[in-house]
Amino acid sequence: EVQLVESGGGLVQPGGSLKLSCAASGFTFSDSAMHWVRQASGKGLEWVGRIRSKANSYATIYAASVNGRFTISRDDSKNTAYLQMNSLKTEDTAVYYCTRRGGDGYNPALAFDIWGQGTMVTVSS
Amino acid sequence: DIQMTQSPSSLSASVGDRVTITCRASQGISNYLAWYQQKPGKVPHLLIYAASTLQSGVPSRFSGSGSGTDFTLTISSLQPEDVATYYCQKYNSAPLTFGPGTKVDIK
Repeated sequence: EVQLVESGGGLVQPGGSLKLSCAASGFTFSDSAMHWVRQASGKGLEWVGRIRSKANSYATIYAASVNGRFTISRDDSKNTAYLQMNSLKTEDTAVYYCTRRGGDGYNPALAFDIWGQGTMVTVSS
Repeated sequence: DIQMTQSPSSLSASVGDRVTITCRASQGISNYLAWYQQKPGKVPHLLIYAASTLQSGVPSRFSGSGSGTDFTLTISSLQPEDVATYYCQKYNSAPLTFGPGTKVDIK
């Protein structure tokens, strides 16, 4: 079964750190570009950032709102992507989804075709 | 950065009605436009990519059109299971911005 499973969410104080994981199965993870998207309660979807495959130099890029605070990485041997979140702010409170772009074999015309179930991050004192 | 807008922000229609949602990009994005459906309490689900290509398994009552800056999502015959919020997204280059969403419910 093709799936993404996020973990690592929880309650953290402002200024704190948290690392989310996204475990993939059922497809060739190493060929895939992986993205993170978040959604605050009752709000819309916000793209957070992405990491490309080894063939594309593991290139990363981030939304302005998290640039310099968040880091995306991956371990292809574990079929897992990560989102390291530092200097957390109350406005980072959201459900965080990992998602795959490009389908099998990476077709850049294809958008986010697989989504995880999400993990909740709450930043509060 | 390119901004994405959607209209209307919400709509209410009867079962069987034809529903159209519009998405506009502040600059041209070719056909790098996707539509997602998010049912209440659920994960977003890809409906259409490349502006008009139906994702596998999506009912044929959904269709997309447009190129450049103006795009539409059409539901040809609204069904009760289509109650959801619909988001467009540009994905030609970062940031991969989503539109603000259109909430669809049944009258």
